[in-house]
Amino acid sequence: QVQLQESGPGLVKPSGTLSLTCAVSGGSISSTNWWSWVRQPPGKGLEWIGEIYHSGSTNYNPSLKSRVTISVDKSKNQFSLNLSSVTAADTAVYSCARAPANGIPFDYWGQGTLVTVSS
Amino acid sequence: EIVLTQSPATLSLSPGERATLSCRASQSVSRYLAWYQQKPGQAPRLLIYDTSNRATGIPARFSGSGSGTDFTLTISSLEPEDFAVYYCQQRSNWPALTFGGGTKVEIK
Repeated sequence: QVQLQESGPGLVKPSGTLSLTCAVSGGSISSTNWWSWVRQPPGKGLEWIGEIYHSGSTNYNPSLKSRVTISVDKSKNQFSLNLSSVTAADTAVYSCARAPANGIPFDYWGQGTLVTVSS
Repeated sequence: EIVLTQSPATLSLSPGERATLSCRASQSVSRYLAWYQQKPGQAPRLLIYDTSNRATGIPARFSGSGSGTDFTLTISSLEPEDFAVYYCQQRSNWPALTFGGGTKVEIK
């Protein structure tokens, strides 16, 4: 059973960089899957941030592309999110998720971690 | 960007009743439309993908239909555990994935 677990600071200062890691267990990050980040502001809907393949190939939401970097560490079986120049509008629960490369949507999700942007 | 509009925002029903949820796309997504269920404090759970395919372990009371721009998730007879928020998501415009705003199914 694949499990995903997010980790990282729960509080980030405005204009700073939000950094999170998603550890994958029960499966290899080098399998034929895309690994994504999705966020959900409190009381609001879901927003896809971006994704990475184990080769390092990435795709980003155009609305966030200028501020987002997603990277993969195959030796640790994990992938990471960096979101720069954050504002209060970036306060959200951030979740990592897996989408098989055969086109099936997100079939495994982490529990999510709340990141608050505040001074 | 393909915008997905879900309606109604809230659906108030009793256990045993039929639930019909709508998702409308701003342009055709072919059949590449999925549905998720989310309960408070939990991660979303994939219910339906590619319009009408149930994900592994999803009960038969959940069904999906539609094509192009108009899609429907039907829960034939609501169980107590079905009261939750439901989101649609398109992958037609991959990698620009988008979600709908959600429909809350609440107990009447």
